[in-house]
Amino acid sequence: DGGITQSPKYLFRKEGQNVTLSCEQNLNHDAMYWYRQDPGQGLRLIYYSQIVNDFQKGDIAEGYSVSREKKESFPLTVTSAQKNPTAFYLCASSPGPGATEAFFGQGTRLTVV
Amino acid sequence: GQQLNQSPQSMFIQEGEDVSMNCTSSSIFNTWLWYKQDPGEGPVLLIALYKAGELTSNGRLTAQFGITRKDSFLNISASIPSDVGIYFCAGQPLVNTGRRALTFGSGTRLQVQP
Repeated sequence: DGGITQSPKYLFRKEGQNVTLSCEQNLNHDAMYWYRQDPGQGLRLIYYSQIVNDFQKGDIAEGYSVSREKKESFPLTVTSAQKNPTAFYLCASSPGPGATEAFFGQGTRLTVV
Repeated sequence: GQQLNQSPQSMFIQEGEDVSMNCTSSSIFNTWLWYKQDPGEGPVLLIALYKAGELTSNGRLTAQFGITRKDSFLNISASIPSDVGIYFCAGQPLVNTGRRALTFGSGTRLQVQP
């Protein structure tokens, strides 16, 4: 089955620890995205990548880092510099430049205690 | 980034009623998309619009790309309990700012009373 897989579904971490969220896609899409969703709010763009080995900051990149070493994978690291990391994180992909339809994974709910 | 104003923020309706929600922007968009999100899940694409004035249906859902390119609406006819969820509009601005990612509205939370 083709799709986008985020893991884990739920993640708990202690304050001050870095944590990495996984996102894998087997749709052969060029572009991948990370969004953050807080309760009762819309999706805010953290980082995106249009092609392997390249990525750009979104609207709320501070405290986050990403890598795009493989086309299929776009992991997101939530660092200790992120002041309020508890949120629902969504990964998405799209075929590439000129194709705007994005398809989402099931999300990872991160709770920092 | 770009701002999308989505309204209403929430709706509570009776099963069988029709629903309408809309999204507006201060700038021109060349694509409008509508997504639905179930609790604890990722958004699922419902309808995509690419031309000003375009009217597209997907079952009981109908969406339109506004003629001014600054707005879009989504209608749901004869609502059923499984329509419950959060509906998001999303768009790609026409102006090339170098940003190639969707901007999302804040969502409309729909509740349907059986």
